[in-house]
Amino acid sequence: DAGVTQSPTHLIKTRGQQVTLRCSPKSGHDTVSWYQQALGQGPQFIFQYYEEEERQRGNFPDRFSGHQFPNYSSELNVNALLLGDSALYLCASSLAARDYEQYFGPGTRLTVT
Amino acid sequence: ILNVEQSPQSLHVQEGDSTNFTCSFPSSNFYALHWYRWETAKSPEALFVMTLNGDEKKKGRISATLNTKEGYSYLYIKGSQPEDSATYLCAHSTLGRLYFGRGTQLTVWP
Repeated sequence: DAGVTQSPTHLIKTRGQQVTLRCSPKSGHDTVSWYQQALGQGPQFIFQYYEEEERQRGNFPDRFSGHQFPNYSSELNVNALLLGDSALYLCASSLAARDYEQYFGPGTRLTVT
Repeated sequence: ILNVEQSPQSLHVQEGDSTNFTCSFPSSNFYALHWYRWETAKSPEALFVMTLNGDEKKKGRISATLNTKEGYSYLYIKGSQPEDSATYLCAHSTLGRLYFGRGTQLTVWP
């Protein structure tokens, strides 16, 4: 049973560019949450997707957007990248009925230069 | 914002030592308290989810307690081993989102 997978592992982008990160949830899970972990900080909630819609959102600007596909996989898009967007981006999956029990992927390390 | 505080920030112990970490969280609107173990370059691994005041959970040499009235949880590792070296994250959950602390980085020297 595959756990949560994320791609790519690492990514380097330039300020102003756009980036797309991908996440495949654990088998059987229907809900995907995204978190950002900046250096020295704990992971911070970006948003959560269920039934292909954004269910709730944290305190992140509109430059951060997402999508969930019918197979429950998800993408995180960040536009107009800033240096401060450099971070580890974690994806977590869960069942909607138990959305507090979240299983995490290994993350995507984004570096913005 | 539901602030979760963890202490200490880092800890270095010798193999065989027992150790404990603290997590404090807002006691109002409590739903669940989570402990994760996170090794470098791997996925955070869920250790415990606790919901009830007085909950105690145990997995091998690792155990955790929960006090929701005063807003704290302790994680204990008995007889630390080098393979216990990792970052231990605490998170408070409500409405399906997790609020994390900064973690305690544990290094166990052989």
